Amino acid sequence: DAGITQSPRHKVTETGTPVTLRCHQTENHRYMYWYRQDPGHGLRLIHYSYGVKDTDKGEVSDGYSVSRSKTEDFLLTLESATSSQTSVYFCAISGQGDEQYFGPGTRLTVT
Amino acid sequence: DQQVKQNSPSLSVQEGRISILNCDYTNSMFDYFLWYKKYPAEGPTFLISISSIKDKNEDGRFTVFLNKSAKHLSLHIVPSQPGDSAVYFCAARDRSESSYKLIFGSGTRLLVRP
Repeated sequence: DAGITQSPRHKVTETGTPVTLRCHQTENHRYMYWYRQDPGHGLRLIHYSYGVKDTDKGEVSDGYSVSRSKTEDFLLTLESATSSQTSVYFCAISGQGDEQYFGPGTRLTVT
Repeated sequence: DQQVKQNSPSLSVQEGRISILNCDYTNSMFDYFLWYKKYPAEGPTFLISISSIKDKNEDGRFTVFLNKSAKHLSLHIVPSQPGDSAVYFCAARDRSESSYKLIFGSGTRLLVRP
């Protein structure tokens, strides 16, 4: 299994509060991705990174920001959480752009 | 506009029989296709892939078929086992994208009945 961890695994927060999710890898892979999974939508890309300090938007990036200051860490921040951001968030990594390997997920509930 | 579609939300199959999961796509720039399996409360795990230059790829009980003219791929599981019960996602990569982003379908929930 690819060495990917996500923290926290579960979080409940209130509307309007900032939230940061962390993805950590031990594979030294160049590419890292953040997805959200919602019923009926599969996995949708929020943001991705193709190197340290190199990030770009995915298809559902509104309300989210990311940072990657080290190869191994990719942070996803919800600046002001909303109920529509209640979801399961997955981080994924890829070395040469073929398969992506996913972390265990973070279940976020915004009340 | 969904570029990757899995039109069957669920499928139920008897143990030992064949499971066929289908996926359609619209983007002719897709050059690599993947299937992922997901159990509840876990991340998706990579199952099998196929390049657009091939029409079939096998790995044990799992075979993926690609029909480029119909923009259709399918995953065959033979024989199906109860442990195969999970949600299956197909995904596709756009060769015009340098980021190697994947586009996922909405998933098909497979139930294999003992």
